[in-house]
Amino acid sequence: GAVVSQHPSRVICKSGTSVKIECRSLDFQATTMFWYRQFPKQSLMLMATSNEGSKATYEQGVEKDKFLINHASLTLSTLTVTSAHPEDSSFYICSARQEPTYEQYFGPGTRLTVT
Amino acid sequence: GDSVTQMEGPVTLSEEAFLTINCTYTATGYPSLFWYVQYPGEGLQLLLKATKADDKGSNKGFEATYRKETTSFHLEKGSVQVSDSAVYFCARKAAGNKLTFGGGTRVLVKP
Repeated sequence: GAVVSQHPSRVICKSGTSVKIECRSLDFQATTMFWYRQFPKQSLMLMATSNEGSKATYEQGVEKDKFLINHASLTLSTLTVTSAHPEDSSFYICSARQEPTYEQYFGPGTRLTVT
Repeated sequence: GDSVTQMEGPVTLSEEAFLTINCTYTATGYPSLFWYVQYPGEGLQLLLKATKADDKGSNKGFEATYRKETTSFHLEKGSVQVSDSAVYFCARKAAGNKLTFGGGTRVLVKP
């Protein structure tokens, strides 16, 4: 149990376009999901907390207009990178928090390359 | 604030060697502590956890003991395999039930 999927696993897009990444909890409902960004050979940086039915909470320094988060259902959160630029190239990982344990389960990640 | 510090890698070992990865955390309350493993090209998987002082988490031959007196949660395995090659992250629960991660330690096990 407690499986989280992400789609796509890899995406290449051109500079200036937008890309949507999906995060799904497959066998449990998650009112809260998290989005992380991981730079090569570095740790995970929390970008935002996604709350079902309400606005996401962004960490300091993360541009909310650039990284749009939507958590429209208890099993799906999406991250849209708008007007992507090469510096947005990274590995994006989501996690879903299972209740009542509050344990986080991580998706396999999405590698975004902006050319 | 909440932080986690772990030893920098890479750590290169021969198969069947003993592995230790040090991890210390800031002592704000008594947070739950975790070790996650990330295999190449994949997301994070929970390896083990401990929720209170003196708890020992264990899984797949790995162990870590929650040491309140030294604010540490060092990861150990007595005999590593090539398949243990991965990046290991120490983490603690932070405010708002978020996770704060250490910088990660890359482990390479050679046959």
